[in-house]
Amino acid sequence: QVQLQESGPGLVKPSGTLSLTCAVSGGSIASSKWWSWVRQPPGKGLEWIGEINHSGSTSYSPSLQSRVTISVDKSKNQFSLNLSSVTAADTAVYFCARADWSGYDSWGQGTLVTVSS
Amino acid sequence: EVVLTQSPATLSLSPGNGATLSCRASQSVSSYLAWYQQKPGQAPRLLIYDASIRAAGVPARFTGSGSGTDFTLTISSLEPEDFAIYYCQQRSHWPPEDTFGQGTTLEIK
Repeated sequence: QVQLQESGPGLVKPSGTLSLTCAVSGGSIASSKWWSWVRQPPGKGLEWIGEINHSGSTSYSPSLQSRVTISVDKSKNQFSLNLSSVTAADTAVYFCARADWSGYDSWGQGTLVTVSS
Repeated sequence: EVVLTQSPATLSLSPGNGATLSCRASQSVSSYLAWYQQKPGQAPRLLIYDASIRAAGVPARFTGSGSGTDFTLTISSLEPEDFAIYYCQQRSHWPPEDTFGQGTTLEIK
């Protein structure tokens, strides 16, 4: 059973860069899956941020594409999210998750990131 | 971009009742549609994938149906633990992009 765990700062200043890491255990990040980031503003719905696959190819939400970078570190079995030029609108719970064409079958517990000075 | 519209926004029912949740896509998504359940403070849980296949460990009272643009999640007899928020989700082939519906809150009446 694969497990995912997000880590990173819980507070980021406006105009700064949000950086999170997702550690994967119980499975290889080199498998034929997509490794994704999804966020959820407080009291709101789920928003797809983007993903990276086993070969390192990335796809991003059009609304966030200019600010998002997702990368993978196979040696550490983890992947990361960088979101630049953050504002209060980026305050959310950030989830990492594993996906394929059948949906998201494994999720991290989520981590709240607040953008505030 | 495919837009998923869920209805109703809120559904108020009693344990033992049946529930019907709808998800409509702005264009055909074939059968690549999934349903999730989310409880407060938790990550979403995959219930149904490929429109009608129950994920491992999901009770038989959850049934998914539909194809193309119209999909339904049916819960045959609500248990207390079923009261939660439900989301549908689809993935576009090209460009690769995932979309979630806005959610249906299933609350105890």
